[in-house]
Amino acid sequence: DVVMTQSPLSLPVTLGQPASISCRSSQSLVYRDGNTYLNWYQQRPGQSPRRLIYKVSNRDSGVPDRFSGSGSGTDFTLKISRVEAEDVGVYYCMQGTHWPPYTFGQGTKLEIK
Amino acid sequence: QVQLVESGGGVVQPGGSLRLSCAASGFIFSNYGIHWVRQAPGKGLEWVAFIHDDGRDPYYVDSAKGRFTISRDNSKNTVYLQMNSLRPEDMAMYYCANLRPGEHDIDYWGQGTLVTVSS
Repeated sequence: DVVMTQSPLSLPVTLGQPASISCRSSQSLVYRDGNTYLNWYQQRPGQSPRRLIYKVSNRDSGVPDRFSGSGSGTDFTLKISRVEAEDVGVYYCMQGTHWPPYTFGQGTKLEIK
Repeated sequence: QVQLVESGGGVVQPGGSLRLSCAASGFIFSNYGIHWVRQAPGKGLEWVAFIHDDGRDPYYVDSAKGRFTISRDNSKNTVYLQMNSLRPEDMAMYYCANLRPGEHDIDYWGQGTLVTVSS
């Protein structure tokens, strides 16, 4: 199974400051069709996960443009340009290239300093 | 709008069984495979099982093989997860989800149903 490793696991951020989360996979996430199925999820306290980014860098509808994804191969990053109070929660990367199973990172807990 | 509503969670003793249900609406159910994903208390997300749109060839996480069975009834827009021989480590919130990792806006989750395994 593909192992997804996130860092940091805890991320205290001052309001209005940027934040960055790293995700590394144990093997390349490039699928035979040329796509890379790496997604990012946000889970606010007490809520179900919500996808923010699919295929590395594509935002779903309604996702603020302060969220961006980048990366390739085995190294990926989620960036928040200016953290807002509503961004508090846990962020997960997930790979959908080599499945089953889909595999998730351990999660990064973002909190406001 | 798309809705996935899980039910059937509860308290069960180790070795016991539960059947979870996931009722879907707001999309053409018979066109989509459905996943179950779980989250142990205070822990991360773990993919559990998947069933194709027509019910063929289900997939399971290794820890669920031989104990869990995923099935669906397209006439009722419902997916089931039969869980047998439950262990304490199966205790979690169980979410059903319509996940399409490569498609814009197709990623839907239910609110979850809680399974507690305790004597």
